Amino acid sequence: DTGVSQNPRHKITKRGQNVTFRCDPISEHNRLYWYRQTLGQGPEFLTYFQNEAQLEKSRLLSDRFSAERPKGSFSTLEIQRTEQGDSAMYLCASSLGSLRAYEQYFGPGTRLTVT
Amino acid sequence: AQRVTQPEKLLSVFKGAPVELKCNYSYSGSPELFWYVQYSRQRLQLLLRHISRESIKGFTADLNKGETSFHLKKPFAQEEDSAMYYCALSPISGSARQLTFGSGTQLTVLP
Repeated sequence: DTGVSQNPRHKITKRGQNVTFRCDPISEHNRLYWYRQTLGQGPEFLTYFQNEAQLEKSRLLSDRFSAERPKGSFSTLEIQRTEQGDSAMYLCASSLGSLRAYEQYFGPGTRLTVT
Repeated sequence: AQRVTQPEKLLSVFKGAPVELKCNYSYSGSPELFWYVQYSRQRLQLLLRHISRESIKGFTADLNKGETSFHLKKPFAQEEDSAMYYCALSPISGSARQLTFGSGTQLTVLP
């Protein structure tokens, strides 16, 4: 296990199209986070899973965004009807249970460009 | 609302000089504070957390609750310290423990 992986690494799409990203966390980690990072800013929290349950969502996560973690392992983040403002780096992170929740391991990110 | 402010987007120092990266925060409860680092072409990774009170790669950070600051310091900078540094906070209570990041400081250590 070489850490958190994300696919694809880059995605270019036209406005209005749907896109889906995948995150594979470190295998023993039960917590999974999605963040979004725009140019010149730090990552912003989008949503959080503990096992398969989505326990928290940011107000940044509009109705066009949906995330799943069906078997408590990998997760997908889908954006419907993409807009140019969705262009960003989408980061996934995972961590162990509550005692080590503070140490989040980040993936390399998926860079989305909406044209 | 919680907020993390890093006032310097760019910081350059010479090798061997002391370095201080500033971080201020606002949070209504008791947060946990962290510094994350991203070296060129690498992933974001945890550098240190205030609770552990450790020195990592020669860096230390002290939480000043009165000034709501968590500045990162190193007495003698090295060229390999050049990276993007993010200050972050997390609520101590609650299940999510999501991180709120500052906008980052790009540190360049000159030879």
